[in-house]
Amino acid sequence: AQKVTQAQTEISVVEKEDVTLDCVYETRDTTYYLFWYKQPPSGELVFLIRRNSFDEQNEISGRYSWNFQKSTSSFNFTITASQVVDSAVYFCALSRNAGGTSYGKLTFGQGTILTVHP
Amino acid sequence: DTGVSQNPRHKITKRGQNVTFRCDPISEHNRLYWYRQTLGQGPEFLTYFQNEAQLEKSRLLSDRFSAERPKGSFSTLEIQRTEQGDSAMYLCASSSKGYQETQYFGPGTRLLVL
Repeated sequence: AQKVTQAQTEISVVEKEDVTLDCVYETRDTTYYLFWYKQPPSGELVFLIRRNSFDEQNEISGRYSWNFQKSTSSFNFTITASQVVDSAVYFCALSRNAGGTSYGKLTFGQGTILTVHP
Repeated sequence: DTGVSQNPRHKITKRGQNVTFRCDPISEHNRLYWYRQTLGQGPEFLTYFQNEAQLEKSRLLSDRFSAERPKGSFSTLEIQRTEQGDSAMYLCASSSKGYQETQYFGPGTRLLVL
């Protein structure tokens, strides 16, 4: 069975602070995909990033960066110089990778509520 | 390029009534997923379709729930004899089957059963 744990229920920061959201996963699969989604107050889940299990290279996209460490089963997400518009619920998710294609369903963590104060 | 759309956005119903939700995926996507999200939780998988075939159903999907995707385009999710425990956000996502598959979500339908 697959499991995703986001231990931080809520994080509150002041604008311009850096913030890291933790994600730990469990899976018996040797290959899999990891994802981060953002859910603003409007409710729609917005895709942020996908990472293959065989690609441990970290990634930076503007103010966002992701640290994937297979040895510790973690896929953490850092926002640098946070802004009020970053306030949202962030979800980490996991899917299987069977034969080079995702195996459909996503297993989500419980989410981390990020509040950025001006 | 239009995204995933869902209708209605909100639905209030009385216990025991039937409700139906619709999802229109991104036009070139052949996979469609339904998830349910309750307050303070992450989305939970309900079912998914590849084209018109329903390939997997979660044990969460009781006999009162049914989903269809006729002609492999839009999908409907019906809940019969609604219960208060069915109150949740119902999310639809679509994707293209293949390497580096990514699911894109619609805005959801929020159901409240009184």
